[in-house]
Amino acid sequence: DIVMTQTPLSLSVTPGQPASISCKSSQSLLYSDGKTYLYWYLQKPGQSPQLLIYEVSNRFSGVPDRFSGSGSGTDFTLKISRVEAEDVGVYYCMQSIQFPLTFGGGTMVDIK
Amino acid sequence: QVQLQQWGAGLLKPSETLSLTCGVYGGSFGDDYWSWIRQSPGKGLEWIGEINRSGSSNYNPSLKSRVTISVDTSKNQFSLKLSSVTAADTAVYYCVREPTLWGQGTLVTVSS
Repeated sequence: DIVMTQTPLSLSVTPGQPASISCKSSQSLLYSDGKTYLYWYLQKPGQSPQLLIYEVSNRFSGVPDRFSGSGSGTDFTLKISRVEAEDVGVYYCMQSIQFPLTFGGGTMVDIK
Repeated sequence: QVQLQQWGAGLLKPSETLSLTCGVYGGSFGDDYWSWIRQSPGKGLEWIGEINRSGSSNYNPSLKSRVTISVDTSKNQFSLKLSSVTAADTAVYYCVREPTLWGQGTLVTVSS
């Protein structure tokens, strides 16, 4: 299985300040079709996960532009340019290049 | 706007079979894959398996011997069966339209 390692485990951010989460995969997520199958989700308290970013850097419909994704191969980053109160929750990365699909352990973001 | 609504028994005894169904409302199966993912405090997010409208399925090897995912396109539903459950199968189970949309989740508790 591909192991997805997220850091940090938790993050406490002042509103309006940036935040950054790292995700590293044990194998390259670049497929032969040229796409990289790395996704970012946010699970708000008491809710199901919701898709933020697909294929490394594409914002899903309705996701604010303060969220951005970058990276390649095995190293990926999710950035929030200015954290807002509604951004609190647990962030997960996920790979779908190989079965079984696997997730990172999560990064909990809260507000200072 | 596609919505997923899931249902099934929430309390099981060891050795029983877990059975959950997910209804797809406001849309059709299309070319997507539809999966089941579970979340437990001990193991985080775990992908169980997926199926498409043709019935082509893929399973997590760690659960494959106990899992059956099926689809009923006439009812716009897909289902999960997990046999011989133990306490380790206690989790919130989600149905998912990969990778974009998650159901509301169903807490399944296995206890004697």
